[in-house]
Amino acid sequence: GENVEQHPSTLSVQEGDSAVIKCTYSDSASNYFPWYKQELGKRPQLIIDIRSNVGEKKDQRIAVTLNKTAKHFSLHITETQPEDSAVYFCAALEGTGGFKTIFGAGTRLFVKA
Amino acid sequence: GAGVSQTPSNKVTEKGKYVELRCDPISGHTALYWYRQSLGQGPEFLIYFQGTGAADDSGLPNDRFFAVRPEGSVSTLKIQRTERGDSAVYLCASSANGYTGELFFGEGSRLTVL
Repeated sequence: GENVEQHPSTLSVQEGDSAVIKCTYSDSASNYFPWYKQELGKRPQLIIDIRSNVGEKKDQRIAVTLNKTAKHFSLHITETQPEDSAVYFCAALEGTGGFKTIFGAGTRLFVKA
Repeated sequence: GAGVSQTPSNKVTEKGKYVELRCDPISGHTALYWYRQSLGQGPEFLIYFQGTGAADDSGLPNDRFFAVRPEGSVSTLKIQRTERGDSAVYLCASSANGYTGELFFGEGSRLTVL
């Protein structure tokens, strides 16, 4: 089955700096890679996703890149703001006929004002 | 409904007791998932329903855990003979059909087993 590794587990940046979170996955058949943001005590919410037919996707200050050959994908947040502070999870949707989404362990991002 | 609803939001029980957690998905969503999230960890897959049937229950840790979705909407996660290690936040999520990918999560049910 799919396995998703995520790092770093904790990331602290100064407001205005960029933040990068990296993930690897094991199932070469996986074809959908979402990123979820979870604020303290709240539910995870989708912030951006990418499918295997594209290499990069941007939405304002966030972008995701995908390298299918190396089986890794990354989240990039530019011009970070204090409200970006949260836990971010990468995930992969199994592509082998199943429909379960497997999550990484999460990255706790602190943005210092 | 406006979103995925889970009840209870908090449940404290004693070791050995039986617990039921309820999930009401977004209206019209055919796919429903249960995840378990321990402190500092990512959501861990438990079970996935497509309609009324459990399409994949490979994440259920043992036979004390069981889930149903009899009418293809509301789902109940049932835990028998609870153990302290079952303490976690149980998250329910739904998606339109399981193929599109995006999961809409509920706020979770925090289970504490004393």
